[in-house]
Amino acid sequence: GAVVSQHPSRVICKSGTSVKIECRSLDFQATTMFWYRQFPKKSLMLMATSNEGSKATYEQGVEKDKFLINHASLTLSTLTVTSAHPEDSSFYICSARSPRGIYEQYFGPGTRLTVT
Amino acid sequence: AQSVTQLGSHVSVSEGALVLLRCNYSSSVPPYLFWYVQYPNQGLQLLLKYTSAATLVKGINGFEAEFKKSETSFHLTKPSAHMSDAAEYFCAVSEPVFGNEKLTFGTGTRLTIIP
Repeated sequence: GAVVSQHPSRVICKSGTSVKIECRSLDFQATTMFWYRQFPKKSLMLMATSNEGSKATYEQGVEKDKFLINHASLTLSTLTVTSAHPEDSSFYICSARSPRGIYEQYFGPGTRLTVT
Repeated sequence: AQSVTQLGSHVSVSEGALVLLRCNYSSSVPPYLFWYVQYPNQGLQLLLKYTSAATLVKGINGFEAEFKKSETSFHLTKPSAHMSDAAEYFCAVSEPVFGNEKLTFGTGTRLTIIP
């Protein structure tokens, strides 16, 4: 149980285009999901907290107009990178709050974004 | 504010030897602490967690960690390393304050197992 999936696993896009990444909780309902960004050989940086039915809460320094987050259902959150640039290339990982308690998160497998 | 320091970005041990990955934390309240493992191009998998119960926590794959408040440490150990343990390991801290469940991660330790 408690599986989180992400789609796509890898995506290459051209500079200036937008790309959407999906995060799904497959066998549980997740009222809260989190989006992280991981730079090569670095730790995970929390970008935003996504709550079902409400606006996402962005961390300081994260551009909300560039990284659009939508949590339209209890099992799906999406991250859209708008007008992507090469510096947006990164590994994006989502997680979902565990149904067993709010201080545990289940992580998706990640999405590798490359902007050319 | 909470923070995590992982000493040693790279650790190499021989197969069958003791694994010790170090983690020190800083927190303004009694923390919850976590160890996660990440295999290449994959997400994070929870190894174990400390949530103010027993200070010695046992996790999956033979790993365990001990919470030492006096040392503000939560080091990860495994008595005998296996080749499949080669991965990146992240220590994380959370402050169990209502409305704040953010995880703050350390910079990670890459574990290499020498045959």
